[in-house]
Amino acid sequence: DVKVTQSSRYLVKRTGEKVFLECVQDMDHENMFWYRQDPGLGLRLIYFSYDVKMKEKGDIPEGYSVSREKKERFSLILESASTNQTSMYLCASSLRSYEQYFGPGTRLTVT
Amino acid sequence: GENVEQHPSTLSVQEGDSAVIKCTYSDSASNYFPWYKQELGKRPQLIIDIRSNVGEKKDQRIAVTLNKTAKHFSLHITETQPEDSAVYFCAARGMDSSYKLIFGSGTRLLVRP
Repeated sequence: DVKVTQSSRYLVKRTGEKVFLECVQDMDHENMFWYRQDPGLGLRLIYFSYDVKMKEKGDIPEGYSVSREKKERFSLILESASTNQTSMYLCASSLRSYEQYFGPGTRLTVT
Repeated sequence: GENVEQHPSTLSVQEGDSAVIKCTYSDSASNYFPWYKQELGKRPQLIIDIRSNVGEKKDQRIAVTLNKTAKHFSLHITETQPEDSAVYFCAARGMDSSYKLIFGSGTRLLVRP
């Protein structure tokens, strides 16, 4: 069975803190993605990675960075959290370019 | 780049009626169009997809149609049931972005018992 896990379901951080969100998949997928989900805006792509140590910017990369040191793990980093980064963050993975499997999401609140 | 617009943003139907959600895309080279369903508090999951060489695809009560000329595709749910209540997202994958999906803004479907 396909499994994508995220390190936290809920997270509360203060403005200016460095925040790490981790995603792990056990399907040996090449591609991994980070989205943020906001009401009325759908799923917006922040970054994606198609191989270890490879990354590409999505539509809204500002204020974020990513790391993929191992194939199964993809981390999203908020260098200096701001209140406008309060959101639901979803990780996904896919084999080549087809069906994406999503994690359960991390609801991040920045105060 | 690809842009996907989705309508309506909310849809309320009586149990047993049909529901239709429509999406338009901008990149005529797009070749893959999935639909995801996200139940309250859960992760999005693929429910059906269609490729550009096919005009229609059905899976029990759900179907997707694609009109490449008009650059739009639609999700049809027949005989709706309360468990169909969820947010539905359409998406498109363009030829210039082999790995990315561009998602629509979502439709919240409510099926009234």
